[in-house]
Amino acid sequence: SAVISQKPSRDICQRGTSLTIQCQVDSQVTMMFWYRQQPGQSLTLIATANQGSEATYESGFVIDKFPISRPNLTFSTLTVSNMSPEDSSIYLCSIDGQGAGVNTEAFFGQGTRLTVV
Amino acid sequence: ILNVEQSPQSLHVQEGDSTNFTCSFPSSNFYALHWYRWETAKSPEALFVMTLNGDEKKKGRISATLNTKEGYSYLYIKGSQPEDSATYLCALLPGNTGKLIFGQGTTLQVKP
Repeated sequence: SAVISQKPSRDICQRGTSLTIQCQVDSQVTMMFWYRQQPGQSLTLIATANQGSEATYESGFVIDKFPISRPNLTFSTLTVSNMSPEDSSIYLCSIDGQGAGVNTEAFFGQGTRLTVV
Repeated sequence: ILNVEQSPQSLHVQEGDSTNFTCSFPSSNFYALHWYRWETAKSPEALFVMTLNGDEKKKGRISATLNTKEGYSYLYIKGSQPEDSATYLCALLPGNTGKLIFGQGTTLQVKP
């Protein structure tokens, strides 16, 4: 298993500002994933963060809006830039257990509940 | 675009009732199916990872089945308790990439 510490747990931000979310894992992992859940919607993958290379973004998400850092194998940040009320969501970081075989589950941080006013 | 559907969206049951939820996914894009339990302000917690057609898995009062040919999975809770109240997520893993595609979840409320 793995423990992921994510912070902040919640924040209320003014539109036009930026918020950086941090995730710290208690072990070294190759890939980290960032998800978003807008109200009433599914958890949706924003991007995959690999250490030492640029993040890979899913369709509909761009680096200018959601810059990601991955300075080492245990840490990543996601920034939500130039926020608007539509960015109000729960943001989750995650790691998978694929390195240990197909039958392993994903592990998640506790989430960041963001409200943009 | 791959779509994972869960039903119902929400469910209110009395303590002691048994209940079940459905997860539907495109059968042509299957590598594994995950079930998670997500309580408010906590991390989603894995219940099951299912990979084989016909799989049945059990953890205490919770069990799950998988049909990869027709593209569905059922989650069953026997004798629901108030502490079972949570959102239950299913997620399709369509390949060995680690990228999960989630359904919208089923929110269960168990009344004492």
